[in-house]
Amino acid sequence: AQSVTQPDIHITVSEGASLELRCNYSYGATPYLFWYVQSPGQGLQLLLKYFSGDTLVQGIKGFEAEFKRSQSSFNLRKPSVHWSDAAEYFCAVGAKGSSNTGKLIFGQGTTLQVKP
Amino acid sequence: DGGITQSPKYLFRKEGQNVTLSCEQNLNHDAMYWYRQDPGQGLRLIYYSQIVNDFQKGDIAEGYSVSREKKESFPLTVTSAQKNPTAFYLCASSIDGSNQPQHFGDGTRLSIL
Repeated sequence: AQSVTQPDIHITVSEGASLELRCNYSYGATPYLFWYVQSPGQGLQLLLKYFSGDTLVQGIKGFEAEFKRSQSSFNLRKPSVHWSDAAEYFCAVGAKGSSNTGKLIFGQGTTLQVKP
Repeated sequence: DGGITQSPKYLFRKEGQNVTLSCEQNLNHDAMYWYRQDPGQGLRLIYYSQIVNDFQKGDIAEGYSVSREKKESFPLTVTSAQKNPTAFYLCASSIDGSNQPQHFGDGTRLSIL
């Protein structure tokens, strides 16, 4: 079955420290891969996406993610965290093809807390 | 600035009542989506539309209806047939070839009176 796992439910880092949020997926082929961020009571904002090509993807707000096919992973990284990065982060995968339109599979989310 | 506007931000429904959630976008995107988010869960697809006057059911369409009369607008009606409507509803859009949501509105929180 297709699934997405975010192993860390909560992560706390100090401001200025580096960050890595893990995402592993189970899928028959290489899917589309996404990272979204959600602040309380707000909608989701797309941080970055991977469709094909270069496996290191740059996103907004200084985030990047690396697709590793051998590990079925798409981990999100940021070299220096800011207090405004505190939010919930979702990894999601989507299958290619029109029959899979909109049918993203989401991980459970990782809540990031930033200590001053 | 371009974006997706959802209204109202909070909505209350009485038993047996239909309510309509508004979603408007000025991004000129062809595809629009409606999702439901429940606590501790990811998003579940209710309906999507890839072109005006056409829409398709998602994974949890029962008790919901939509229309797409204009490219900019994709309203969602939560009918009285939806027995558990309390949730956070998100509208999204996309234009690239992935057929997956790229831009989201700020959501509508629906509660039962």
